[in-house]
Amino acid sequence: GQQLNQSPQSMFIQEGEDVSMNCTSSSIFNTWLWYKQDPGEGPVLLIALYKAGELTSNGRLTAQFGITRKDSFLNISASIPSDVGIYFCAGQLRGAQKLVFGQGTRLTINP
Amino acid sequence: SAVISQKPSRDICQRGTSLTIQCQVDSQVTMMFWYRQQPGQSLTLIATANQGSEATYESGFVIDKFPISRPNLTFSTLTVSNMSPEDSSIYLCSVSELVNYGYTFGSGTRLTVV
Repeated sequence: GQQLNQSPQSMFIQEGEDVSMNCTSSSIFNTWLWYKQDPGEGPVLLIALYKAGELTSNGRLTAQFGITRKDSFLNISASIPSDVGIYFCAGQLRGAQKLVFGQGTRLTINP
Repeated sequence: SAVISQKPSRDICQRGTSLTIQCQVDSQVTMMFWYRQQPGQSLTLIATANQGSEATYESGFVIDKFPISRPNLTFSTLTVSNMSPEDSSIYLCSVSELVNYGYTFGSGTRLTVV
């Protein structure tokens, strides 16, 4: 099936540092979504991207839909302790209703 | 966005038994999905729950093992049948809304099979 390659798999950073993670695929996606999952909870949507080249911010989070439609990145600026969790990218292929998920990036922050 | 209530939130079950998970949405939604998240892993789509018709299953998942119902536009159930320890996972309900094109997830059901 379709796969999204998400990297890095894990990150250990100091509070206040910026974070960057990305997803790539060999397939073209119509939609890119970024989610955060806290322990014991379902994923929560952070940012949704619908057009190639689109750059969207949500507070300290910024995500971009790659020009080739095969990649996306998420940046977090000035990280804080509550940013800890697992971040997933998800893509929707053209004409499809279902989402394909990346493997996740586990973010750990040292205070 | 839609608010999803998923029950139970967790359960410990004996192998060979079945568990039915409920997903209730506070508004009518077009698409409902069921995912499995194995420990430390990403989300894998089990099936799309279709209102008034049989669910559409992904490769590797079959109706006999994961029967799904969707009697209306706000409710769906997933049954995990004849459970084995390999079925220990988090099961998540997700919905798609036309309004914001986003996909919202329930808080999940953490299933442990002993």
